[in-house]
Amino acid sequence: DIVMTQSPDSLAVSLGERATINCKSSQSILYNSNNRNYLAWYQQRPGQPPKLLISWASARESGVPDRFSGSGSGTDFTLTISSLQAEDVAVYYCQQYYRLPYNFGQGTKLEIK
Amino acid sequence: EVQLVQSGTEVKKPGATVKISCKVSGYTFNDYYMHWARQAPGKGPEWMGLVDPKHGETVYPEKFQGRVTIIADTSTHTAHLELSRLRSEDTAVYYCALSGNYEPFDTWGQGTLVTVSS
Repeated sequence: DIVMTQSPDSLAVSLGERATINCKSSQSILYNSNNRNYLAWYQQRPGQPPKLLISWASARESGVPDRFSGSGSGTDFTLTISSLQAEDVAVYYCQQYYRLPYNFGQGTKLEIK
Repeated sequence: EVQLVQSGTEVKKPGATVKISCKVSGYTFNDYYMHWARQAPGKGPEWMGLVDPKHGETVYPEKFQGRVTIIADTSTHTAHLELSRLRSEDTAVYYCALSGNYEPFDTWGQGTLVTVSS
């Protein structure tokens, strides 16, 4: 199985500042035939299901604010929120969908400093 | 609008079986895989398996094989998750979610809380 490890486990950032969350996969999730990384980022607010923010490591879903961006390739990935807003307080998860089982990271809790 | 509506909260005793449903609307049922995942308090989601409604094929992770059954009822556009031999560690919120083939989960149900307690 591919293990997904996020860092840090929690993060406190001031409003308007940048937040950076990292995700590492135990093996490459880059499919060479199409040069795509099979990596998604989700946001989960309390009492809600996860919401897909980014797929293919860097493609924002429709309606997701452009302050959210994803980067990385192979085994190392980053979710960046360029200017933190109050509504961004949530837990963020990465997930690989390269190979079953589609494992998630343990989550990063983002709070306001 | 694509919607996944799950059945309500369940309370079960250890050793029992729970069955959760996920009724879908707003898309062609056969066109997407239906996944089930669960989330224990304070933990990340844990994938429990998928069904391909078009062909009825299922895939389960080794951890749950023999205990989990996922069924897609094409006549009612409803997916079902059955988990047997429940234990306290199965207490979690259970979610259904949709994806294409080798794609992320772009739509989720609202979640069903299952509590296992004697």
